[in-house]
Amino acid sequence: DTGVSQNPRHKITKRGQNVTFRCDPISEHNRLYWYRQTLGQGPEFLTYFQNEAQLEKSRLLSDRFSAERPKGSFSTLEIQRTEQGDSAMYLCASSSRTGSSYEQYFGPGTRLTVT
Amino acid sequence: GQNIDQPTEMTATEGAIVQINCTYQTSGFNGLFWYQQHAGEAPTFLSYNVLDGLEEKGRFSSFLSRSKGYSYLLLKELQMKDSASYLCAVRVRSGGYNKLIFGAGTRLAVHP
Repeated sequence: DTGVSQNPRHKITKRGQNVTFRCDPISEHNRLYWYRQTLGQGPEFLTYFQNEAQLEKSRLLSDRFSAERPKGSFSTLEIQRTEQGDSAMYLCASSSRTGSSYEQYFGPGTRLTVT
Repeated sequence: GQNIDQPTEMTATEGAIVQINCTYQTSGFNGLFWYQQHAGEAPTFLSYNVLDGLEEKGRFSSFLSRSKGYSYLLLKELQMKDSASYLCAVRVRSGGYNKLIFGAGTRLAVHP
């Protein structure tokens, strides 16, 4: 399968713990995005990478959140000292500079539950 | 600020036609996307408009009027599997980069 993959698919953690999610984009895509989605809402942009460079971070991304894409391939999103408000679906998407629309392809998401 | 509005819920009958509207107020407009999202799954790309007019793709069509800040998604010959959320997303250019801003989605229920 050559789509975007994310691991784990589900994560339950206790408040105050750290969690890390991984995203593997489509192999030829140089652009990678992280979003957060809560029930009944659309995805909210968190951060964007072009190759290994993190080019934009949303103000939603507090200092407890950090993302990396060390070799311009897979990416990780870490949340430190989790809070109950962090419970959400975390979506990763990738795109390339081909075609006219540069549409983003989404992975299946990691559902985080903070208890 | 950036704002995208779409109805929260709609219902329709199998075989019918439904139109889902989206209005937006954004700066740096650089295209509008529609995505479909089934419950618990990832959004999947449906359509893209950057110029005014209608784009048709099988049973799905999308329309854009940039001057009015308005788009709609038209679904024809509805099937039960079309029950899903439909997300309107505007691509905006900011700081030299593009990013997507999503509406809250319209939950469509198709009934027999």
